[in-house]
Amino acid sequence: DAGVIQSPRHEVTEMGQEVTLRCKPISGHNSLFWYRQTMMRGLELLIYFNNNVPIDDSGMPEDRFSAKMPNASFSTLKIQPSEPRDSAVYFCASSLSQGNTIYFGEGSWLTVV
Amino acid sequence: KNEVEQSPQNLTAQEGEFITINCSYSVGISALHWLQQHPGGGIVSLFMLSSGKKKHGRLIATINIQEKHSSLHITASHPRDSAVYICAVSRAQKLVFGQGTRLTINP
Repeated sequence: DAGVIQSPRHEVTEMGQEVTLRCKPISGHNSLFWYRQTMMRGLELLIYFNNNVPIDDSGMPEDRFSAKMPNASFSTLKIQPSEPRDSAVYFCASSLSQGNTIYFGEGSWLTVV
Repeated sequence: KNEVEQSPQNLTAQEGEFITINCSYSVGISALHWLQQHPGGGIVSLFMLSSGKKKHGRLIATINIQEKHSSLHITASHPRDSAVYICAVSRAQKLVFGQGTRLTINP
């Protein structure tokens, strides 16, 4: 299996621009997670989906962030408009179900200037 | 106080040394995960455990549910083991992360 696939790997964008991060979970996994990692705050859960349904989005920082999972093999995390403080590594992860091993993607390194 | 505390925050050792990283948590959990992150790299799950002990190669993870404590051990450490090791606990379908332990193994 190819593992969790994220794109883009790196993105540099200007403040105010829209950013879309993409994730393809491992086939057959029914839980998908979006995490953000910064030096100051470490790893934080933004949102997770179970069977394509958002279960908990309490970690989403503000209305500028939105996430969708239109089908079992694709999810997006969108930031509009982006701000410099959004600069971070965004990880997508998936697992077979609750309580199982979680598999992380390589991360999307976002820099907003 | 963080729900998940790791120690030490930084650890430097010589190749071949036995390494121990500790993790304490203050809440009820369904499982505990040990993750590895190399500089500039992705995150790899090393272990998921809810009781006892697991071993994979030179890595050993133990958990004591009563004491709310887990340890990750590395035997015969090697420079390629240099990475950040992160403890995370599963609570209500979420992972709560420790701050990580930065391990450097010198040749």
